[in-house]
Order: sequence, then C-alpha cells, then structure tokens
Amino acid sequence: GAGVSQSPRYKVAKRGQDVALRCDPISGHVSLFWYQQALGQGPEFLTYFQNEAQLDKSGLPSDRFFAERPEGSVSTLKIQRTQQEDSAVYLCASSQTGAEAFFGQGTRLTVV
Amino acid sequence: AQTVTQSQPEMSVQEAETVTLSCTYDTSENNYYLFWYKQPPSRQMILVIRQEAYKQQNATENRFSVNFQKAAKSFSLKISDSQLGDTAMYFCAFISRNSGNTPLVFGKGTRLSVIA
Repeated sequence: GAGVSQSPRYKVAKRGQDVALRCDPISGHVSLFWYQQALGQGPEFLTYFQNEAQLDKSGLPSDRFFAERPEGSVSTLKIQRTQQEDSAVYLCASSQTGAEAFFGQGTRLTVV
Repeated sequence: AQTVTQSQPEMSVQEAETVTLSCTYDTSENNYYLFWYKQPPSRQMILVIRQEAYKQQNATENRFSVNFQKAAKSFSLKISDSQLGDTAMYFCAFISRNSGNTPLVFGKGTRLSVIA
C-alpha cells in the first residue's frame, strides 16, 4: 500500500474488555514496531518484529499485552482485560532499512 | 540506555519568523541517527529531517535545518520562514545503528504554535 494503515482509528472499550488493534505496514517492509503514546508524551516502544519473528517485546507493559505478525505482514496488537491506564494512542511503524520509519495514523484507545 | 530530552514543552512564533527547538540526548554509542518528527493533530508522525552521527555537516531540508553538536550531544531544529502549517508537536528521536533494527527513542515533544 501507499503507507502504513492502522485500524480502527478510534476505539472505546469498557474496562475489562479485550481489544485488537490492526496494523498494515508498507508492502515489503521487513521491520514493524508498535509504540504507545500517552496524552502529552512522546511515543514509547512496545515491541518489534522482523518479518514474522518478534525479536523484542521488552516494552510491553504487562502480560495483558500481546502482539503477533503471523505471515510477516499485517500485525495485531491485542490488549486483554483493558484498564484505564491503557488509554493512549497506539502507533505502528514499518521500516525497510532502519534508517527511516514510516508511521501510521495510530489508534486512539479510550478505556471507560 | 539512551535518553532524549526536550526542555521546551511549548513554543510559539510569529508567521514568517524563525524558531529553534532544542534537543539533547545521552548515549555511549558512536553510530546512531537523530531525527525530528512532526505530529499534527491527525496524529501521524511525519519525518522532518534526519542526521547521521558520522556526518559533520548539518542536515538541511528546505526551511528546516539542524545544529548537530556531537560532543555536546545536542541536536536543535531551526525552522525558518515559519508557516501556519508548521503548527504541530515536534519530537526529537534517537536510533542506534550498532545492532540491526532498534526502536526509536523519543523525547517528550515540543508543542509549536505559529501565530498569524
């Protein structure tokens, strides 16, 4: 595709619900990153894939967070039993060389 | 671990004037890139400018230029002839180039308002 696409753009979840956020990277990009951006803050790293392999998940804040990229293209970030502190914008970025990352427009998650 | 610090939470500038956004970083590495990203209300991070640490020459992209001081670990962004469309959050970011693909480390951002 022309750019990184994320869906949904907005998600409201009741506390305790599970959510799934989707990222469609630029075609052919090997690397895919997920970031969490709290209100008024800079993005913080969650996890990184190279093709289908999850090489780094050190930024995932708890075991309620799970990410996958089974075929090395589309990725899904799943949050189980959402809590209010999970409210944030979730950004996905893809990269071919690592020298430049291309970002999607993010998903704004609000947990009520 | 690398850290990126942006000490100006908010800045404003008159249209057509010049503004400089500050960024400092901390790293023990020698091979890295630095970036400035713009994030408008649409939330999409847009790359403004990139600087390779091994290059002494400051990067320039049209109205945007950087002042890269490697020894001082300083990386400021200068926006010349500011336009209303420059209004956005600006994030300074660091990436290590020592070990394959690593994630970006961002500062907390500076909110820039361009005033007509």
